[in-house]
Parts: sequence; C-alpha cells; structure tokens
Amino acid sequence: DIQMTQSPSTLSASVGDRVTITCRASQSISNWLAWYQQKPGKAPKLLIYKAATLESGVPSRFSGSGSETEFTLTISSLQPDDFATYYCQQYDSYPANFGPGTKVDIQ
Amino acid sequence: QVQLQESGPGVVKPSGTLSLTCAVSGVSSGTFYWWSWVRQSPGKGLEWIGEIYHDGSATHNPSLRSRINMSVDKSQSQLSLTLTSVTAADTAVYYCARVGAVSRPPYFDSWGQGTLVTVSS
Repeated sequence: DIQMTQSPSTLSASVGDRVTITCRASQSISNWLAWYQQKPGKAPKLLIYKAATLESGVPSRFSGSGSETEFTLTISSLQPDDFATYYCQQYDSYPANFGPGTKVDIQ
Repeated sequence: QVQLQESGPGVVKPSGTLSLTCAVSGVSSGTFYWWSWVRQSPGKGLEWIGEIYHDGSATHNPSLRSRINMSVDKSQSQLSLTLTSVTAADTAVYYCARVGAVSRPPYFDSWGQGTLVTVSS
C-alpha cells in the first residue's frame, strides 16, 4: 500500500496568513492526489483533485501543487472559515488512502 | 445536486454484523456513478472501505475484503454496506460518498453527513 504523510500535524495561524501544508507519498503517485477540508462533526469536503484542480465552488485562495511524491496545499490568505483539519488522499492505486491530517487552528 | 444520508443501528455487539444504508437523491436518470464507503475512527483516521457501481461491480479494501458486502439498487437511490464479525476496532463514523468523475481508484466529491457506529456489548 502507498503510505501518505502530512506535515505539520498542527499549524497555528492568524487570519490573513499564508498557510502551506505538505503531503508526501511513499512512492510516486503522479498527480493523483486530492485534498479535503473537514470541520468538527462534519464530513470531509473536496477542495482539490488531480493535485491542482480546484473543485467547483471552492474559493480561489486555495491552491494545490506538486507531483510524484511531494505535494502542497496553500491557502493564500487564511479566513475565519478555514480553521479546520485538512487531509490529502492518493488515488493512484488501490487501496485509496488518506494522510493523517493537518489541523489548522487559531494562533 | 446529489445528496447522501447514512442510517444505521448506532450500536452493534462484538462479533455481530454492522448494516448501514445510504439514501441517495439528486442523481439524474441515466447517469451512472461509482459509490464508496469511507470510515473514520480516532485510531486509524480516514479509511476507504470499498466502492460499488450501479451494475454491482465492486472493489474492496483488502484489509476488510472478507468481511464486507456492498450493494446498490439499479436506480442508485440506495446503497447498503454490511460488515461482519465486528470488533471494537470497527467503531467509527461511517460515510457514504460519490466517486468523483468516475475516477478509479476513487476520490470523493460528495459525502453524506456520516453515522456513528459503536461496537459494544
């Protein structure tokens, strides 16, 4: 199985900050990577797929980049609604699996 | 816009069978999707369980394959998941989700709100 890791596990930031989360795969997954946002008690929400394609309706302050084994999710200017946990997920090979998450909280 | 809503028993006894359903609405007639189940537990995070197509074709996570059965009705209005021989490790919030853009392996573009299943005597 492909293993996914994320860093940092927790990130403290302020409104307006530029935030970057890193996701690494244990082997190359080309650009078959998705990012999700999850708030407490809610289901994950798709933000980005194919590493850099923004899902419809997702604000443009979110962006994704990377390929092969290293990927980043960037929030260009953190908004109050963005405090949440973010997960990456590979879909290059079965079983599809997720990273452990990065919690973005208020500094 | 597709909507998904899970329902289940809440509590299942150890060694018993977990049975969940997912009501799906908003799917256009003649448009077919792959559908998945994903669970989330504090200990293991998010875990993909399996996926199923409207014709019954299915793929399972090898870690759970022997205990899983999934089904979908031909109208794609209801999904079902059964998991046998449950233990405390199967305690989790279970989500049904739509697979994005017929991607296989899947990513997930729509999710239900989730249903908590606790395995306890």
